[in-house]
Amino acid sequence: AQSVTQLDSQVPVFEEAPVELRCNYSSSVSVYLFWYVQYPNQGLQLLLKYLSGSTLVESINGFEAEFNKSQTSFHLRKPSVHISDTAEYFCAVSDSNDYKLSFGAGTTVTVRA
Amino acid sequence: DVKVTQSSRYLVKRTGEKVFLECVQDMDHENMFWYRQDPGLGLRLIYFSYDVKMKEKGDIPEGYSVSREKKERFSLILESASTNQTSMYLCASSYRPSGIGDEQFFGPGTRLTVL
Repeated sequence: AQSVTQLDSQVPVFEEAPVELRCNYSSSVSVYLFWYVQYPNQGLQLLLKYLSGSTLVESINGFEAEFNKSQTSFHLRKPSVHISDTAEYFCAVSDSNDYKLSFGAGTTVTVRA
Repeated sequence: DVKVTQSSRYLVKRTGEKVFLECVQDMDHENMFWYRQDPGLGLRLIYFSYDVKMKEKGDIPEGYSVSREKKERFSLILESASTNQTSMYLCASSYRPSGIGDEQFFGPGTRLTVL
């Protein structure tokens, strides 16, 4: 099973500032990568995923993540955050031949005006 | 929209009680999952079901069992609740039988407190 490390547990950020959430996973030949977001008092929902193809993937609300195989990373970025981006963000990884997702510990993003 | 519902948002039980957590999905998904979410640990898979009456243990199945008698419903059972099972429990479902690479759709969670 994969091991997933989210390097920051808390990220405070001001509105309209950029944010980067870091995610590293244990090495594997082939992986699928996901970012999920959990808004307060809600379940998780998929933000974006990488299965194959372009290493840069984007979400509809301005987030993007880049798969870096050599560094076994899948960092999430947004150039300008809104108050509504306040949430907990989870990186998840699966081997490409396994249904099981391994989740990181989560990063709480708090956006302040 | 896919909807995954969980029977309770908050539940308080006593040590030794038998506890049932219910999850229902309305999109005819093949796969259903139970996770527990704890601060600093992320989500950990308890059990997984890929078909009616079929189940597989996840990473932390000890102290739990599951039941899937109908495709849309997946129950998590704590046979004898203990204080270390106080946690947030999340149910999820995904579409394809293989489940590999598929998005998982999550319910809102049940926060269980065992006293």
